[in-house]
Amino acid sequence: QQQVKQSPQSLIVQKGGISIINCAYENTAFDYFPWYQQFPGKGPALLIAIRPDVSEKKEGRFTISFNKSAKQFSLHIMDSQPGDSATYFCAATYGNQFYFGTGTSLTVIP
Amino acid sequence: DTGVSQNPRHKITKRGQNVTFRCDPISEHNRLYWYRQTLGQGPEFLTYFQNEAQLEKSRLLSDRFSAERPKGSFSTLEIQRTEQGDSAMYLCASSSRLGSSNEQFFGPGTRLTVL
Repeated sequence: QQQVKQSPQSLIVQKGGISIINCAYENTAFDYFPWYQQFPGKGPALLIAIRPDVSEKKEGRFTISFNKSAKQFSLHIMDSQPGDSATYFCAATYGNQFYFGTGTSLTVIP
Repeated sequence: DTGVSQNPRHKITKRGQNVTFRCDPISEHNRLYWYRQTLGQGPEFLTYFQNEAQLEKSRLLSDRFSAERPKGSFSTLEIQRTEQGDSAMYLCASSSRLGSSNEQFFGPGTRLTVL
């Protein structure tokens, strides 16, 4: 079964807009929630990550919002740029088990 | 380049043949992971090594799959008697459990096509 559910599957945003990708999980044992960015033909690269003891983490234009009670977390990309066009994966981990969402294909239109 | 490297980048094989992929992790990383990624999906965990010990294996890893990390450095993933359903991107990642970081660094992957 899918341990991490991600939506939407695809997203089109105008340059300068806000991109929002959502993920939900069930297993309360998860203790680390990273977001990965993947360009075609490349492996995923860590973008930003959060632990469940904080509700928000911001790094530059990227922000993770985390709602522990709802078991949901989201990625916000502010001032989206064409160079942000990629596939984004959320993940949830405990120990050495990583569970990835199904990915969101983001297209930022100039 | 001190990142994770994988070879080959692409492999085309006929059904029934054996294939072997290699992963060279970041040199100081003692943990190494293999994942499989199919089109439109996120990476799926296959197996995990800490140093040379294979500590976890997914149920996805059938008997036709075997992974080794003989000296705790590079790792190989072998698929015997390949099937068309094995066509996927095979990703390797490494990490070092320093402090509280769980960060995994991924390689570029090996894309396998089974004809």
